[in-house]
Formats: sequence, C-alpha cells, structure tokens
Amino acid sequence: KNQVEQSPQSLIILEGKNCTLQCNYTVSPFSNLRWYKQDTGRGPVSLTIMTFSENTKSNGRYTATLDADTKQSSLHITASQLSDSASYICVVSAGGTYKYIFGTGTRLKVLA
Amino acid sequence: NAGVTQTPKFQVLKTGQSMTLQCAQDMNHEYMSWYRQDPGMGLRLIHYSVGAGITDQGEVPNGYNVSRSTTEDFPLRLLSAAPSQTSVYFCASSPGRGYTFGSGTRLTVV
Repeated sequence: KNQVEQSPQSLIILEGKNCTLQCNYTVSPFSNLRWYKQDTGRGPVSLTIMTFSENTKSNGRYTATLDADTKQSSLHITASQLSDSASYICVVSAGGTYKYIFGTGTRLKVLA
Repeated sequence: NAGVTQTPKFQVLKTGQSMTLQCAQDMNHEYMSWYRQDPGMGLRLIHYSVGAGITDQGEVPNGYNVSRSTTEDFPLRLLSAAPSQTSVYFCASSPGRGYTFGSGTRLTVV
C-alpha cells in the first residue's frame, strides 16, 4: 500500500533554532517528492521538489534531502523565524500518473 | 495572475442540502483536482480532471459530482450534504508537475 509517514506530528522550537522534519514513504513506482508549507487557513505552497536522482534541494532557509534507497526524506529549517510556524506536508508522486500520496504533516510552532 | 480561486471561503449547510463549491484557475493548467483535508489525515483526492470534458474519481468520490466544461472551471457539487462531509476542501491545478492550491473552503454540515 502506498503510504507517506511524517514525524514528528508536532514540534515546538525557539526562534533562531534549527529543526529537521522527517518523511518516510512506501510509494512505488517513485516519481518525485515534494515538501509543502501550509499556513493556518491557507492552501499548501510548494517548497521543494526532488526526483529520484537528486539528494539535496534548497530553498532559502529550507533544505530538503532525499535518500531513495531507504525511502526517506528530511526537511531542515535553519535559523527558524516566527513565520515558519505552519504545517509541513510531504507529498510523494507515483511515477507516470497524477497520483499524489500526502503525508499527514508536521505542525511546527516557533516561539519568540 | 490570480492563480486558483475558490468560493465560498466558508459555508454552513443543513443535512440534505445541496451546494456547489466553485474553483477557477487562470494559468491554463490542464489538470485540476479536488481534495478534502480532515484533522489527522492527509489530503484525500475526491475527483480530478485531466482536461475539459474529462473527469475521473479519486480516493473518496462518494457524495460528490464534478464537471469540467472549460479549462478554467472545475466545480464540485455536493448532492445531499451529510455531517461526514464536514471538512476543508481544496481545489488544485497543475501543468504536469506540482500543484497550485486554492485557499480552501471550510464546510460545516449540521
């Protein structure tokens, strides 16, 4: 069964600190993996996309990694800001289709 | 460039009522879809369309209908609302890689 699991479910950190969010997937065939940021009351917005051959992709203070062998991805946030408070969703695409498998997200809260 | 526009943003329905959630995109994307988001669950696909005149069912299609008469519009119809359809609904469009999501419709069925 195609699944995407994220951990932790929720996380609280202090402003300026770094954090890492995890995503494990069992999706086959694998096409690409995306991380989305979803602010409260808003739709998800794409942060990064990685294909099978890509190990790392950065977008400002956000760095995503992908290990296709172990089927794991991580999203590292550097020097967190209050505006980083949001849910972060890992989405894996099954190859050759529009089939997207969504994780349940990690809810991050950054405190001043 | 408005992207994906959903209306209304909030709606309360009584059980058994019908309504249509509107979705429009101005990016000329062929692919459009509707998802629902419930607490503790990932977004689940309701219906999708790969172009005007073509629609298909997703993971949770029961109780919903869609049509795609134009590239721009993809309305979602609730035929007879039930409390289990209380959720946040997102419309999304794609040119083939990645989604642009609308801001969502929060629907409550009482």
